[in-house]
Amino acid sequence: SQQGEEDPQALSIQEGENATMNCSYKTSINNLQWYRQNSGRGLVHLILIRSNEREKHSGRLRVTLDTSKKSSSLLITASRAADTASYFCATDARPGGSYIPTFGRGTSLIVHP
Amino acid sequence: NAGVMQNPRHLVRRRGQEARLRCSPMKGHSHVYWYRQLPEEGLKFMVYLQKENIIDESGMPKERFSAEFPKEGPSILRIQQVVRGDSAAYFCASSPRAGVGETQYFGPGTRLLVL
Repeated sequence: SQQGEEDPQALSIQEGENATMNCSYKTSINNLQWYRQNSGRGLVHLILIRSNEREKHSGRLRVTLDTSKKSSSLLITASRAADTASYFCATDARPGGSYIPTFGRGTSLIVHP
Repeated sequence: NAGVMQNPRHLVRRRGQEARLRCSPMKGHSHVYWYRQLPEEGLKFMVYLQKENIIDESGMPKERFSAEFPKEGPSILRIQQVVRGDSAAYFCASSPRAGVGETQYFGPGTRLLVL
């Protein structure tokens, strides 16, 4: 079963608005990563947050992590049409004993110009 | 430094044929991961390899699928006797090291269509 699940499944906003996506997971983690996927392309790493961190920033991205609730959020401020993509969280579940990111289904973000 | 390369980008096969997907990791990366993505879904881990070794194949179907990462050349994901349910995007990722928090670098994917 998927370790991370993103919410909402789809999000449609206007340029300039903020976009918030959430990720919930089931078991303890060492870190959580957010990736972005443009249509028809591979995933691009955005940001990593470790289990002992509560918040992290990178440009217009802000990630929070609440290990007590087993959840994380990704906030994109002042969104742009170019932010249109799918966003995935990945946790370091160990399906066979190795540290391998395990991905959720993603949130599809559409930013209208 | 070229990124992760995958070829072909698109592959069409008829049921029963074989599909061979190739992945060349980033220069200096010795860890390769294969994922499968169905439409509107996330990536499902398939297999993790280092040079000449399969480290973790817990996500690989037991039959028809195999993977290798030889000492020289790209990693190969091989699907024998393809069925329509194998139609998906297959992504390869590489990393320079294994371990907690290592970032994976993804290729553009191979889109397999089984007719």
